Amino acid sequence: NAGVMQNPRHLVRRRGQEARLRCSPMKGHSHVYWYRQLPEEGLKFMVYLQKENIIDESGMPKERFSAEFPKEGPSILRIQQVVRGDSAAYFCASSPRLTGINLGGYTFGSGTRLTVV
Amino acid sequence: QQQVKQSPQSLIVQKGGISIINCAYENTAFDYFPWYQQFPGKGPALLIAIRPDVSEKKEGRFTISFNKSAKQFSLHIMDSQPGDSATYFCAASSGNTGKLIFGQGTTLQVKP
Repeated sequence: NAGVMQNPRHLVRRRGQEARLRCSPMKGHSHVYWYRQLPEEGLKFMVYLQKENIIDESGMPKERFSAEFPKEGPSILRIQQVVRGDSAAYFCASSPRLTGINLGGYTFGSGTRLTVV
Repeated sequence: QQQVKQSPQSLIVQKGGISIINCAYENTAFDYFPWYQQFPGKGPALLIAIRPDVSEKKEGRFTISFNKSAKQFSLHIMDSQPGDSATYFCAASSGNTGKLIFGQGTTLQVKP
């Protein structure tokens, strides 16, 4: 089991470009979460998706950010017209299902470090 | 209401000593409290977790102490080792979505 795979590991974009971050969950996992980590800060929840559905996007900025988790393929976090303030590490996590025991105990990927220049 | 406050921001401990990191929360609906360990360039990894119906949980050298009335919980690392040097995050979640609210993190350095 390769774990949660995120790519690219590092991404550099100029202001105004689009950034597309990919997350392949662990095999058999149908729940995906995206978190953002700014320098010297904790992780902030962005969005929770199940296959083909956005369950909770309460942490997503209202503009420029979108996420999807299609029936086939990885989950994608898309940032349009990036600005310097978008520079951060973006982490994806996956879990097989929600149960009382497993709630919150999911597996994180190694992250994508986005730098906007 | 949704915040989890973590302290200290950084901690230096001698090898063999006890590392203690504290967290406090306000939302009484939180019902799951995990601790994550993160090494530079890596994603957070679940270390240990506790539910509010338990006051203490121990796994090896790592212990969570939970005080429901004070809305506080802490991580104790016994016999700290240089390999424990990392950033530690407490977190809390509630409800059915599994969304985690993280503390600000504590950078632990264990000196040989």
